[in-house]
Amino acid sequence: AQSVTQLGSHVSVSEGALVLLRCNYSSSVPPYLFWYVQYPNQGLQLLLKYTSAATLVKGINGFEAEFKKSETSFHLTKPSAHMSDAAEYFCAVSDWDMGRRALTFGSGTRLQVQP
Amino acid sequence: DAEITQSPRHKITETGRQVTLACHQTWNHNNMFWYRQDLGHGLRLIHYSYGVQDTNKGEVSDGYSVSRSNTEDLPLTLESAASSQTSVYFCASSEGQGPQETQYFGPGTRLLVL
Repeated sequence: AQSVTQLGSHVSVSEGALVLLRCNYSSSVPPYLFWYVQYPNQGLQLLLKYTSAATLVKGINGFEAEFKKSETSFHLTKPSAHMSDAAEYFCAVSDWDMGRRALTFGSGTRLQVQP
Repeated sequence: DAEITQSPRHKITETGRQVTLACHQTWNHNNMFWYRQDLGHGLRLIHYSYGVQDTNKGEVSDGYSVSRSNTEDLPLTLESAASSQTSVYFCASSEGQGPQETQYFGPGTRLLVL
């Protein structure tokens, strides 16, 4: 089965600083990877996804992620944090195996943006 | 606009009671999923369905059941609610064309079992 690990349950940055949220995956097949964002009291919204077309994936709200097979990583970055980026972020891997079609999620990283 | 809705948004119940959480999507998606979200665990898969009359167990299915009688709905039933089932529950759907497919999530139901 596929799995993802998110390093750091809480990340705090200053407004305007670089955002880096880490995700490492384990997969026995070429992975499809996703980043979702969850704002307070809301459902999950897709930020971006990797589908093997390009290793650098651009998403909504200025976020991007780079797929690095050698490092089994799919870290999420944003050059300059905004207060509105404060949310919880989930990395997920598509888990289509043994007849199953689902997503396996990491435990999440809560991003705090300081003024 | 097509969407996915959940009801109720908040529910308080007592231990031992049967509870049903509703999920309705208007995208005509084949695949539907139920997850629970708990601190430190991210989202964990409870049950999923690939079409009408099809249901499958996820990693944390004990104490839960689902049925799929039409494309739009996948209700989640807690047979006898337990305090350990206090959680936030999310329904999701996808068209099901391949592993690259995006899952679309509902707004969640916050359940408290006393």
